[in-house]
Amino acid sequence: SSELTQDPAVSVALGQTVRITCQGDSLRSYYASWYQQKPGQAPVLVIYGKNNRPSGIPDRFSGSSSGNTASLTITGAQAEDEADYYCNSRDSSGNLPWVFGGGTKLTVL
Amino acid sequence: QVQLVQSGAEVKKPGASVKVSCKVSGYTLTELSMHWVRQAPGKGLEWMGGFDPEDGETIYAQKFQGRVTMTEDTSTDTAYMELSSLRSEDTAVYYCATLFLGEENYFDYWGQGTLVTVSS
Repeated sequence: SSELTQDPAVSVALGQTVRITCQGDSLRSYYASWYQQKPGQAPVLVIYGKNNRPSGIPDRFSGSSSGNTASLTITGAQAEDEADYYCNSRDSSGNLPWVFGGGTKLTVL
Repeated sequence: QVQLVQSGAEVKKPGASVKVSCKVSGYTLTELSMHWVRQAPGKGLEWMGGFDPEDGETIYAQKFQGRVTMTEDTSTDTAYMELSSLRSEDTAVYYCATLFLGEENYFDYWGQGTLVTVSS
């Protein structure tokens, strides 16, 4: 199937660690990339490939993958990390070349 | 560093067409694979189409086939996305984004977004 599934909402206490997951068949073949989106702003790439961060992204952001699940981990979440997070990958089914997950709203308490 | 600057907000009536532009600076358009992603109010990101380097042509999501056309003017390094037969469900922010082409692919640069409102 050409779908990536994310939990709609996740919360984390300030300074704690949170994992945001993304599930889909395509993740068995392709790495996910992760995007952070704050209200009224364009998405920003935070993780790509096996576990790579673009320049300027704090090292508290990391990525991992196992089977059909990709994960974005924030170690020591900060107030400014409160945002929507989307996963994305190439689609292995061929129905839709690129697919995004439904997004996870992260609340930092 | 790539910069993408999009055209301003649009208000259109149902049945009309809209053409959104995305001006590239820092690189030339021929060096990039440009894609378009939209986001309806309060909803997630939806890939619409873009240049597929494997096929050497622009590919569109099946949902938009026949209604969307993506073009490029390499003389001005400007990409365009035109959506026709607009309906209220097309109200959304439309983003251009560049697809990094390498061992892994990902959308590395994004425009600021263009709000298209479809209303009678």
